[in-house]
Amino acid sequence: EAGVAQSPRYKIIEKRQSVAFWCNPISGHATLYWYQQILGQGPKLLIQFQNNGVVDDSQLPKDRFSAERLKGVDSTLKIQPAKLEDSAVYLCASSLFLVGGSYNEQFFGPGTRLTVL
Amino acid sequence: SQQGEEDPQALSIQEGENATMNCSYKTSINNLQWYRQNSGRGLVHLILIRSNEREKHSGRLRVTLDTSKKSSSLLITASRAADTASYFCATAQGGSEKLVFGKGTKLTVNP
Repeated sequence: EAGVAQSPRYKIIEKRQSVAFWCNPISGHATLYWYQQILGQGPKLLIQFQNNGVVDDSQLPKDRFSAERLKGVDSTLKIQPAKLEDSAVYLCASSLFLVGGSYNEQFFGPGTRLTVL
Repeated sequence: SQQGEEDPQALSIQEGENATMNCSYKTSINNLQWYRQNSGRGLVHLILIRSNEREKHSGRLRVTLDTSKKSSSLLITASRAADTASYFCATAQGGSEKLVFGKGTKLTVNP
């Protein structure tokens, strides 16, 4: 079974530039998550999609971050303009949505390491 | 904001010894999960324990959950060098079962 795919793996940009990350979840997983992991900390949820609808984006800095999942499969996360503090690993994860309304374990991709100079 | 807090922050043991990591959290949860993150790799799910469960086993892993104390522990028995990684607890909250991760415990198993 193929895992969660992410690209690019690494990205270096200057502050005020824009950047986009792509994620392809495991086939059949209706739920997709984007996390930000700053060095030395645990991942922090940015946004959660159920198919192509947003379930939770309460911690997404909406003035500069945006995300979409147009056809309920792939997703992109964009930062515009980037700040120094956005340097982090951006992780995508997916999970099954179980009958009865509960979620199964999350499967994570390898992440994109972003460095903002 | 981070919900879970792992303790200790770092742990160094010899191969064959047991490793115990603890997690404390603040609010009510649907379930609690433990993840492992190796250097340069993504997060891997280890085990999920629901709020109505007290103990769960998976291979060399044993997880306990005490909802009255809002705490959980992860025990790795007969550790191996390959267990060297950071271990995170994550609590699932609310209807969306949003996962909130702690800062992790960095485990080093010396051969």
